[in-house]
Order: sequence, then structure tokens, then C-alpha cells
Amino acid sequence: DTGVSQNPRHKITKRGQNVTFRCDPISEHNRLYWYRQTLGQGPEFLTYFQNEAQLEKSRLLSDRFSAERPKGSFSTLEIQRTEQGDSAMYLCASSLQAGGTETQYFGPGTRLLVL
Amino acid sequence: AQSVTQLDSHVSVSEGTPVLLRCNYSSSYSPSLFWYVQHPNKGLQLLLKYTSAATLVKGINGFEAEFKKSETSFHLTKPSAHMSDAAEYFCVVRGANGGSQGNLIFGKGTKLSVKP
Repeated sequence: DTGVSQNPRHKITKRGQNVTFRCDPISEHNRLYWYRQTLGQGPEFLTYFQNEAQLEKSRLLSDRFSAERPKGSFSTLEIQRTEQGDSAMYLCASSLQAGGTETQYFGPGTRLLVL
Repeated sequence: AQSVTQLDSHVSVSEGTPVLLRCNYSSSYSPSLFWYVQHPNKGLQLLLKYTSAATLVKGINGFEAEFKKSETSFHLTKPSAHMSDAAEYFCVVRGANGGSQGNLIFGKGTKLSVKP
């Protein structure tokens, strides 16, 4: 399977703990996006990378959140001092930006539950 | 700023009847528009996209959508619903056409139920 993969698929943690999610994009895709989806809502943009550079961060991304994409391949999203409001599905998408309109391909998501 | 509004949170149809999922967009320039589908416990899948080439866009699984600038609409249709079409559907606009903003802006979703 050469699609976008995310690990873990599910994470349960206690409030105040740190969590880290991983996203492996489609090979050779130069853009990688993170979104958050809460129950009954559409996904909301968090941040994105072009290669290893983080080009944009949403206001939703508080200072407890940090994302990296070392070497422009996989990406990690870390949430420090988790809060119950962080409970959501975290989605990763990748695309190839090479002129024209890119298409984003989504992974299955990581569902986070903060107790 | 770009935005999309999905006019129905829930649509229910009988198997074999037409499907219509409504979406209106707001954009300060020619938008890139998409429809994605999300089945339970599965990732988002692209159904189709509009990028100003043809106003009638055909997608996978028999779905199509028509871009109507005068009505600022991008409704999704299918002539005959199948049980496997039951899912949540998202109308999506791209944050900016070109430049550095590639993020997608999603509507709140329309849940499609298909009755046997």
C-alpha cells in the first residue's frame, strides 16, 4: 500500500501527558498537511510543510502543539500537556505541488482521547 | 476569505433514487473546489475536483458536480444511489489559488443515508 499512513491509529491519554503522532506521506510528495476533526465537524487546517519547511500555522495550533518534518519525509505532531479539548481525530494529508492544482491524499487519522 | 456552506446536515434517500448534496461557496477569485467522502473508520477519499477546466465534473462511483458561478454553487449528484454510498460527504474549497496557501477549507459535512 503506497498511501498515507498514520500511527498510532488510536491513543488514549490522561490530561497533562504529552503525545506524539507520526505521519508517513506518499513517497515523493513534497507537501504534508495536518488537520484536526472533531465530532460532527469537517476537518480544520492546523499546519503544513513544503519539504522540510513549515510554511503556515493555523491559529488553532496553540503553543502546546509542535510539528516537524525532518528531511522532508515523515512528520510528527506533538501535543504537550494535553487537555480534554484536544480530543479529536488528527488527519494527515500529502500532495505533490508541481504546478496546477494539487490533490491532497489523506491518511486514516489518529483518534486521540484525553481523559 | 474562502468558505463553503453545506446546506443539509443529513440527507436520506432510497436505494436506486437520485442523490443531491448541496454546497454553496464563497471566494474572492476563481476557486478550486472538491468533494471528499468519508466512510466510517476510513480516511477521506477524493470524489472529484473542479479547477476551472470544465464546469461539469465527473468523479468516481458515478458522482458528478456542476460548478455554477452565477449561483456560487457546486452541488454533488448521482443518478441512482447505492447502499455503499452511505457516508459523510464534505464540500471543500482550497485556501488560495497558487501561492503558499494550499490548505483545504471543509464544510461541516452532509451525512447521506441510503434506505433499502
